[in-house]
Amino acid sequence: AQSVTQLDSHVSVSEGTPVLLRCNYSSSYSPSLFWYVQHPNKGLQLLLKYTSAATLVKGINGFEAEFKKSETSFHLTKPSAHMSDAAEYFCVVSHGSSNTGKLIFGQGTTLQVKP
Amino acid sequence: GAVVSQHPSRVICKSGTSVKIECRSLDFQATTMFWYRQFPKKSLMLMATSNEGSKATYEQGVEKDKFLINHASLTLSTLTVTSAHPEDSSFYICSARTGSDRQETQYFGPGTRLLVL
Repeated sequence: AQSVTQLDSHVSVSEGTPVLLRCNYSSSYSPSLFWYVQHPNKGLQLLLKYTSAATLVKGINGFEAEFKKSETSFHLTKPSAHMSDAAEYFCVVSHGSSNTGKLIFGQGTTLQVKP
Repeated sequence: GAVVSQHPSRVICKSGTSVKIECRSLDFQATTMFWYRQFPKKSLMLMATSNEGSKATYEQGVEKDKFLINHASLTLSTLTVTSAHPEDSSFYICSARTGSDRQETQYFGPGTRLLVL
């Protein structure tokens, strides 16, 4: 069965410092992994996705994530946080080997950016 | 990028009434649409998968007679909360995707906040 665990429910960084949001997954199949961001009262926006191509995935707004099969991790990073990065972040894994399209969401990590 | 809209964005209704929420893919045809529910400070919970022209597939524990889903066209899916009760108050989010590949990106709507009094 597929599952995803976001290791931190809340992360606080200062503006201009690096961001690290941690995610571990469990999958019986070669997974597709995604990071989505949700700003208050807004819809979810795709930051980036891994689909078995390059293990280092670059996304929008300077975010990137590295797929590490040996560690079953897909951590999200950004070199320098902006105030506008404050939001809820979800690590997501696709469900199984079928093409049902079901997504399994992590519990979310709230990113706070301090001035 | 692909745009998904939801209407209404916010709705307040009385207990016992029914509420319909629309989900539209504005610039692409969605073979599959999904309905999620999100509780405050919580993750998204998949309620059902909707394929155009066929019956929706509900997740375990979701009452299909209470949450009616219709996917009449490739750009529109509706979720009707029937005989709504206060415990149905939540944030409902839809998503849509174009193809059947599991790597296919899902595009999410902005959500509908339902408050049942």
